[in-house]
Amino acid sequence: AQSVTQLGSHVSVSEGALVLLRCNYSSSVPPYLFWYVQYPNQGLQLLLKYTSAATLVKGINGFEAEFKKSETSFHLTKPSAHMSDAAEYFCAVSGSGGYQKVTFGTGTKLQVIP
Amino acid sequence: GAVVSQHPSWVICKSGTSVKIECRSLDFQATTMFWYRQFPKQSLMLMATSNEGSKATYEQGVEKDKFLINHASLTLSTLTVTSAHPEDSSFYICSASTGRNEQFFGPGTRLTVL
Repeated sequence: AQSVTQLGSHVSVSEGALVLLRCNYSSSVPPYLFWYVQYPNQGLQLLLKYTSAATLVKGINGFEAEFKKSETSFHLTKPSAHMSDAAEYFCAVSGSGGYQKVTFGTGTKLQVIP
Repeated sequence: GAVVSQHPSWVICKSGTSVKIECRSLDFQATTMFWYRQFPKQSLMLMATSNEGSKATYEQGVEKDKFLINHASLTLSTLTVTSAHPEDSSFYICSASTGRNEQFFGPGTRLTVL
């Protein structure tokens, strides 16, 4: 069984400030982990994914996430927030090796204050 | 690459009618397609998984006779909401996978049942 917990349903940051969105996972098998972004009334876009290679994963739009097995975490960060980063972010987990069902977290809405 | 489209993007129907939503992988062949629904301010909930040429696998609690899924080709899956009721109003999102642990999401279809 797998699950993800996203801490904080809403996060507000000032433009130019550090973005930190928290995600903790639970998995009985080695996990693959994902971060997706969703803009209003749109589908999901993959930001980055961890698939058991490098623990520090760099994604699109300046985002990165670090897989920490000891903390069962996969937090998403960006050094400097931009207004266009305002969106909903979902952390997700699946098993590794071949196709596995993906389980999504409840999402974190990021607000960027000018 | 890896573009998934959905049609229609928005539909309003009367209670008791049926609505068909199409999901297409435009530039790749999808061995597996998924259907999710997303209620306002909530996460994505997997409804069913479909493989080309075989019956869909539905998640617990999803009525297979109400949500008919057809995966006729490697690039097309359809979801038909039969005898729709207001409680079926939701945002329906499909995704497609080549089997490499990454799903490519469509833009979603907003269904409103009056």
